[in-house]
Amino acid sequence: SQTIHQWPATLVQPVGSPLSLECTVEGTSNPNLYWYRQAAGRGLQLLFYSVGIGQISSEVPQNLSASRPQDRQFILSSKKLLLSDSGFYLCAWSNGRGEAFFGQGTRLTVV
Amino acid sequence: AQSVTQLDSQVPVFEEAPVELRCNYSSSVSVYLFWYVQYPNQGLQLLLKYLSGSTLVKGINGFEAEFNKSQTSFHLRKPSVHISDTAEYFCAVSEDNYGQNFVFGPGTRLSVLP
Repeated sequence: SQTIHQWPATLVQPVGSPLSLECTVEGTSNPNLYWYRQAAGRGLQLLFYSVGIGQISSEVPQNLSASRPQDRQFILSSKKLLLSDSGFYLCAWSNGRGEAFFGQGTRLTVV
Repeated sequence: AQSVTQLDSQVPVFEEAPVELRCNYSSSVSVYLFWYVQYPNQGLQLLLKYLSGSTLVKGINGFEAEFNKSQTSFHLRKPSVHISDTAEYFCAVSEDNYGQNFVFGPGTRLSVLP
């Protein structure tokens, strides 16, 4: 069966520090991968999605970047965090039949 | 491009009462429709999905939803809620193009009161 791992679960980082959140998927190949952000009291905002290694589509201009160095690995990064980057970040993968499966999320607090 | 509307940001109901969470979408092509539930500080869990076939879809935890193409709606229902159903519920749509993109509604916070 397929599983998705996302870590860390919580993270507190100072303004201006770098960020790296990692997401890996097991039990499937060539998945579509996604990064979403959920700000407090708001819905889910799609940040990036990837249909293959090295292929990244960005949905909104922002302080973040994403990379897909391996088929089942998706990384969310920032060189310098801003206060506004605080939120709940969710990684997801889809099986190409329109269904998405989510990781447990990372609660990022920028202080 | 598709979009999803959840008209109710918060829905308080008493335990054992019925509930309906509304979802409307817009899309120019065929869509897949989903309801996800999110408990505090957790990821999203799929409740149910409509891909094709019967418009009445049954999911986990006693929830069901009905796809109405003419009204572009996919409302979620449960005949009798429990305290444990308190959570955030998201409606989502994916266009019929191998699911390269998902659009989520803003979410509805269901609070079940004792």
